[in-house]
Amino acid sequence: DAGVTQSPTHLIKTRGQQVTLRCSPKSGHDTVSWYQQALGQGPQFIFQYYEEEERQRGNFPDRFSGHQFPNYSSELNVNALLLGDSALYLCASRRRGSSYEQYFGPGTRLTVT
Amino acid sequence: GDSVTQMEGPVTLSEEAFLTINCTYTATGYPSLFWYVQYPGEGLQLLLKATKADDKGSNKGFEATYRKETTSFHLEKGSVQVSDSAVYFCALSDHTGNQFYFGTGTSLTVIP
Repeated sequence: DAGVTQSPTHLIKTRGQQVTLRCSPKSGHDTVSWYQQALGQGPQFIFQYYEEEERQRGNFPDRFSGHQFPNYSSELNVNALLLGDSALYLCASRRRGSSYEQYFGPGTRLTVT
Repeated sequence: GDSVTQMEGPVTLSEEAFLTINCTYTATGYPSLFWYVQYPGEGLQLLLKATKADDKGSNKGFEATYRKETTSFHLEKGSVQVSDSAVYFCALSDHTGNQFYFGTGTSLTVIP
């Protein structure tokens, strides 16, 4: 049973560019959340998707957007990249109605130069 | 708003020493509490959880008790091993279970 997978593993972008990160949830999971983890910090909640809609959002600007597909996989898009967007982006999935337990992917390391 | 405060590191211990990592929280309602572990270059792995007051979560020799009166969820292990070297994160989920709040993490290094 594959766990949560994310692609790509690493990414280098230039300030002002746009980036798309991808996540496939663990089998049987229908809810996907995205987190940003800056170096030396804990993960910060970006947003959560369920039934192809954004259900809850953390304190992130509109430059951060997402999408969930019918197969429950998800994308995170970041526009107009800033140097401060450099971080590890983590995807987490769970089955709605479960005991809130989330499973995390290995993350995508984004570097903005 | 909801938040988690955990003991700053780094923490360095000798093998077989006793470990405590402090965690306190602020939350409305009745949150669930978690400890996650992150090994170098990897994502977060759930270590243990507790969903209501006085619950004790345990896994791989680690324990933590949900203390509502002190709003705490301290992580303990009686005898650490070199393989326990990692970063440990305390977290809570809000009453909806939709949003998780993480502490800043505590780096643990265990030396032989």
